[in-house]
Amino acid sequence: GQQLNQSPQSMFIQEGEDVSMNCTSSSIFNTWLWYKQDPGEGPVLLIALYKAGELTSNGRLTAQFGITRKDSFLNISASIPSDVGIYFCAGLYGNKLVFGAGTILRVKS
Amino acid sequence: NAGVTQTPKFQVLKTGQSMTLQCAQDMNHNSMYWYRQDPGMGLRLIYYSASEGTTDKGEVPNGYNVSRLNKREFSLRLESAAPSQTSVYFCASSGERGGNEQFFGPGTRLTVL
Repeated sequence: GQQLNQSPQSMFIQEGEDVSMNCTSSSIFNTWLWYKQDPGEGPVLLIALYKAGELTSNGRLTAQFGITRKDSFLNISASIPSDVGIYFCAGLYGNKLVFGAGTILRVKS
Repeated sequence: NAGVTQTPKFQVLKTGQSMTLQCAQDMNHNSMYWYRQDPGMGLRLIYYSASEGTTDKGEVPNGYNVSRLNKREFSLRLESAAPSQTSVYFCASSGERGGNEQFFGPGTRLTVL
């Protein structure tokens, strides 16, 4: 089946830093979605991308739909402590979503 | 709007016991989904229902059954629970865009001993 490779698996952030993560696949997707999950909660949709090359922002978050339709990235600018959590990419294949394994964001102590 | 609600929030079963996880949405969405989430593996689709009266298998359907009771409700049943089914289960729904923009419930944390 379709697989998404999400990287990095985890990262530590310091308040104020910019953060980047990405998803790649050998398959073409028509839609890319980015979700965030807080502990004990369900994933919450952050950004949806529908066209190759599309660049979309939601506050401090910016995501791009790769031109080949096989990848997407998410940037978080000027991170704050509440940005910690697990970020998932998801690609729409037919009428089903395929999820990456997630990127865990932690705060540097 | 409550969005997507799931019951129960936590459950412990013994091997071989059965149970039903309940899910309801009040967003008038056509499509509903059941996922399981295991550490390091993201979310994997168990079953989905594109519309009332239809259900289809996802990536990991073995050991589960589903019922789309009406447009609002989609239940997941474990007939004979196994330790491998220990996981966090999420229900989701989506509207006009089909599988796009799925909205998730808070999850059910299931432990099978």
